[in-house]
Amino acid sequence: EAGVTQSPTHLIKTRGQQATLRCSPISGHTSVYWYQQALGLGLQFLLWYDEGEERNRGNFPPRFSGRQFPNYSSELNVNALELEDSALYLCASRARQGGTDTQYFGPGTRLTVL
Amino acid sequence: AQSVTQLGSHVSVSEGALVLLRCNYSSSVPPYLFWYVQYPNQGLQLLLKYTTGATLVKGINGFEAEFKKSETSFHLTKPSAHMSDAAEYFCAVSYTSGTYKYIFGTGTRLKVLA
Repeated sequence: EAGVTQSPTHLIKTRGQQATLRCSPISGHTSVYWYQQALGLGLQFLLWYDEGEERNRGNFPPRFSGRQFPNYSSELNVNALELEDSALYLCASRARQGGTDTQYFGPGTRLTVL
Repeated sequence: AQSVTQLGSHVSVSEGALVLLRCNYSSSVPPYLFWYVQYPNQGLQLLLKYTTGATLVKGINGFEAEFKKSETSFHLTKPSAHMSDAAEYFCAVSYTSGTYKYIFGTGTRLKVLA
């Protein structure tokens, strides 16, 4: 069974640009979560999508947004990039029904803003 | 409010010594509990989880954890540390109270000394 996949592995942008990060969940999982892991700040919850809808968002400005597609894959968009957006962005997926609430993580996308 | 506390942001042990990473939680409803490991520049890998039943849970790589309701703890242990155990470890709790919540601790970086 394939795990959660994320692309690209690395992304380098300059301040003010936009970044798009992609995530494919485990087959059968309908929920996707996005986290930001900046150096020294632990895991910060960004967004939760389920069945195509945004269910919850963390304490991040509106320039962090995303969507979930009919095949349950997801996209995270970060507009007007700032230097402090440099971080590892992690995606996780969860089975909505019949699971044990476990989130399974992808390998992450390392975003560097210059 | 529900929370997860990991005591010790950095823990050092000698190779072959006991590993003990502490996790305490507060929750007004029965939680599910998880431990994840993260190697440098990688995503989080599930080590083990407690949902119901036996309170001593065995995971991958020789790790185990015991759910102690009276102490609201879920400490992670391994009898003998290997150099390859050096990584960051995250404790997490999930529960449903109106809506689904998944809370991570701040992480403990384990260093294994030769």
